Amino acid sequence: KQEVTQIPAALSVPEGENLVLNCSFTDSAIYNLQWFRQDPGKGLTSLLLIQSSQREQTSGRLNASLDKSSGRSTLYIAASQPGDSATYLCAGKKTSYDKVIFGPGTSLSVIP
Amino acid sequence: GAVVSQHPSWVICKSGTSVKIECRSLDFQATTMFWYRQFPKQSLMLMATSNEGSKATYEQGVEKDKFLINHASLTLSTLTVTSAHPEDSSFYICSASSWDSYEQYFGPGTRLTVT
Repeated sequence: KQEVTQIPAALSVPEGENLVLNCSFTDSAIYNLQWFRQDPGKGLTSLLLIQSSQREQTSGRLNASLDKSSGRSTLYIAASQPGDSATYLCAGKKTSYDKVIFGPGTSLSVIP
Repeated sequence: GAVVSQHPSWVICKSGTSVKIECRSLDFQATTMFWYRQFPKQSLMLMATSNEGSKATYEQGVEKDKFLINHASLTLSTLTVTSAHPEDSSFYICSASSWDSYEQYFGPGTRLTVT
């Protein structure tokens, strides 16, 4: 059974710092992996999607990487801002027909 | 990108009543739709998967008679919570994908409060 862990569970950093969020899958057979942002009481905002054939994706200050051999992904946020404060969820699936499994999330707080 | 909407965005109902939540794909045909539930400070848990025109497949532990899912068209799926109880209060999120897409597109969620 595929399980997803995210480390750390919570993170508080001063504004301007670069930071890394981690996501691990128990089964390294990953079809694709997505990073989402969720603000309190709100729905999900898709940040980056990485296919199994890709190693990383970048969007602005965000960079997500995927290491299939280890079943791990990292989300790198450069020059963090208070507006980045939110919960970040990683989610993936093993095959194109499989269901998406979500990690528990990392709660990020960027202090001005 | 593809857009998925949900209606209502929030709803309050009395215990014992039923409530219906709609999920629509606005600019693409959703061959598959997914319903998730999220309790406070927890992650999303998949409740069921529905393919257009077929019966939904429910995850283990989800009562199919309590959470009725209909996916009668390629742009609309509905989740009906029957005989709602306070413990059904949660954030319900749908997502949709088309046959030719790798990605699931998520709706904004519906917050249900049962009093």
